[in-house]
Amino acid sequence: DIQMTQSPSSLSASVGDRVTITCRASQGIINYLAWFQQKPGKAPKFLIYGASSLQSGVPSKFSGSGSGTDFTLTISSLQPEDFATYYCEQYFSYPVTFGQGTRLEIK
Amino acid sequence: EVQLLESGGGLVQPGGSLRLSCTASGFALRSYSMSWVRQAPGKGLEWVSAMSESGESKYYADSVKGRFTISRDISRNTLHLQMDSLRAEDTAVYFCAKAVSWARPYFDYWGQGTLVTVSS
Repeated sequence: DIQMTQSPSSLSASVGDRVTITCRASQGIINYLAWFQQKPGKAPKFLIYGASSLQSGVPSKFSGSGSGTDFTLTISSLQPEDFATYYCEQYFSYPVTFGQGTRLEIK
Repeated sequence: EVQLLESGGGLVQPGGSLRLSCTASGFALRSYSMSWVRQAPGKGLEWVSAMSESGESKYYADSVKGRFTISRDISRNTLHLQMDSLRAEDTAVYFCAKAVSWARPYFDYWGQGTLVTVSS
């Protein structure tokens, strides 16, 4: 199975900040990577696929990059509604696997 | 509008069984691959099982293989997860999720989840 490791596990930031979350795959996955946002008690929300393609309706403040084993999610100009937990998912092969999550908190 | 609505969760004793359902609207199940993903309390997301568009291919996580069975009822546009021999570690919120395709299993729509608690 492909292991996905996110860093950091938690992150404190202020409104208006720009933050970057990293996701590393245990083997190459080309660009078969998705990102999700999850708020407490809610289902995950789909943000990005193909490592860098924004899902329709997702604000352009979210951006993704990377290929192979190393990927990043960047969120610019943080707003209160962006504070949540973020997960990466590799879909290069079954079983699909998720990172352990990065909790983004307000400083 | 795509909607997924899970049901069937609840409290069950270890060794017991439960059948989850996910009723889809806004699209036809027979045209899309579907998965179940779970989340233990305070933990991350764990993929559980997937079914291909045709229904012929089914995959399971090692942690549930031989105990869980994914199926669907096309006439009711409903996905099921039969869970047998339940263990305490199966306690989680179970989400059904629509995949873009079997070959590209990232999930563009999710249900709200149903809680399964395995405890005596």
